[in-house]
Amino acid sequence: DAGVIQSPRHEVTEMGQEVTLRCKPISGHDYLFWYRQTMMRGLELLIYFNNNVPIDDSGMPEDRFSAKMPNASFSTLKIQPSEPRDSAVYFCASSRGLPQRSRQGGSPLHFGNGTRLTVT
Amino acid sequence: SQKIEQNSEALNIQEGKTATLTCNYTNYSPAYLQWYRQDPGRGPVFLLLIRENEKEKRKERLKVTFDTTLKQSLFHITASQPADSATYLCALAGGSEYGNKLVFGAGTILRVKS
Repeated sequence: DAGVIQSPRHEVTEMGQEVTLRCKPISGHDYLFWYRQTMMRGLELLIYFNNNVPIDDSGMPEDRFSAKMPNASFSTLKIQPSEPRDSAVYFCASSRGLPQRSRQGGSPLHFGNGTRLTVT
Repeated sequence: SQKIEQNSEALNIQEGKTATLTCNYTNYSPAYLQWYRQDPGRGPVFLLLIRENEKEKRKERLKVTFDTTLKQSLFHITASQPADSATYLCALAGGSEYGNKLVFGAGTILRVKS
């Protein structure tokens, strides 16, 4: 099991440029999550997908952010145009099943090692 | 407002001692709580899950308690080792306020000195 794979590991770009982050979830997992981590705000959920369909994107900061999942093995998070305040570590995570309010719920998330984005 | 609080100060302990980390929450009714470990430059790694109807869970040197009356979870590492040094995150899910989202605390840094 290769785990969740993210690319690139580091991205440095100038303000106004388009940034695309990529994620390959664990095979067989039906949920995919995008999180952002900063010192000030910790880990924040941006969006999650179930069976390639976006379920909740209420955490996406603004219209500059968009995410897609064209198939079960690939997802992208795009920022266009990027701004310095977007600088953070972006994590992708996948799970088999979803946290639910039930005794059977509680599937753990498997995280990738993140993409450190720096926007100058 | 809803809040998840973990020890903001780093916890420094001597090798062999028991480390105890705290996770307090307000205005949540979580169905369960998870603990993760995060090393520098890496993503969080799942450690343990405890459900609302469980008081305690153990896994090797790890123990988690969950008190829904106090709205608190304690995470213990017994016989701590320098390799246990990392940031530990608690996360809550369930409850009508946040639906199916897993919400993380800010984490506590643990340093185990030999």
